[in-house]
Amino acid sequence: AQSVTQPDIHITVSEGASLELRCNYSYGATPYLFWYVQSPGQGLQLLLKYFSGDTLVQGIKGFEAEFKRSQSSFNLRKPSVHWSDAAEYFCAVGAIQGAQKLVFGQGTRLTINP
Amino acid sequence: DTAVSQTPKYLVTQMGNDKSIKCEQNLGHDTMYWYKQDSKKFLKIMFSYNNKELIINETVPNRFSPKSPDKAHLNLHINSLELGDSAVYFCASSQDRTGGSGNTIYFGEGSWLTVV
Repeated sequence: AQSVTQPDIHITVSEGASLELRCNYSYGATPYLFWYVQSPGQGLQLLLKYFSGDTLVQGIKGFEAEFKRSQSSFNLRKPSVHWSDAAEYFCAVGAIQGAQKLVFGQGTRLTINP
Repeated sequence: DTAVSQTPKYLVTQMGNDKSIKCEQNLGHDTMYWYKQDSKKFLKIMFSYNNKELIINETVPNRFSPKSPDKAHLNLHINSLELGDSAVYFCASSQDRTGGSGNTIYFGEGSWLTVV
């Protein structure tokens, strides 16, 4: 069965510092991979997605992620974080079982220090 | 215009009550979903409908009954609410039921249900 692991429950970085959020997946076929962000009290917003092709994908708000098949990873990065990036970040794998569904990791809470 | 909209956003109700959450999407999508986010922020799919037909029904108590009157609407009715039903319920939609580069799942802003 498919699964997603986000090893870091909570990360704190200083404003302006670089960021990397880790995501590892388990899926038997070629995965569709996603990163979503959830600000406090808000819904889920898609940051970026990987389906095929270039393994480095660019997203909104200056985020990027790299798909590494050999490591079963899809880590999210940002070169310089802003205070507004404080949020919960979810990695997900798209599984097809008669219909598409997303299997989510447990999320990483990002705190930004001024 | 909000692409996927849910009402109500907040709902506080007593145990044993019956409540409904409504969802509408204006994206012209064929497929809609309900996801549940528990108190530990874990997100899990509950149901999926494709053009009014139920296609995913995860292990959910039968107190939860989705209804899709048309492909733009997917409502969630919950009978005999229990304390453990307290969660955030997200409606979502996608172009169709298949995976693929164009088939992103878009989420609504969530409905915060508290059972007391």
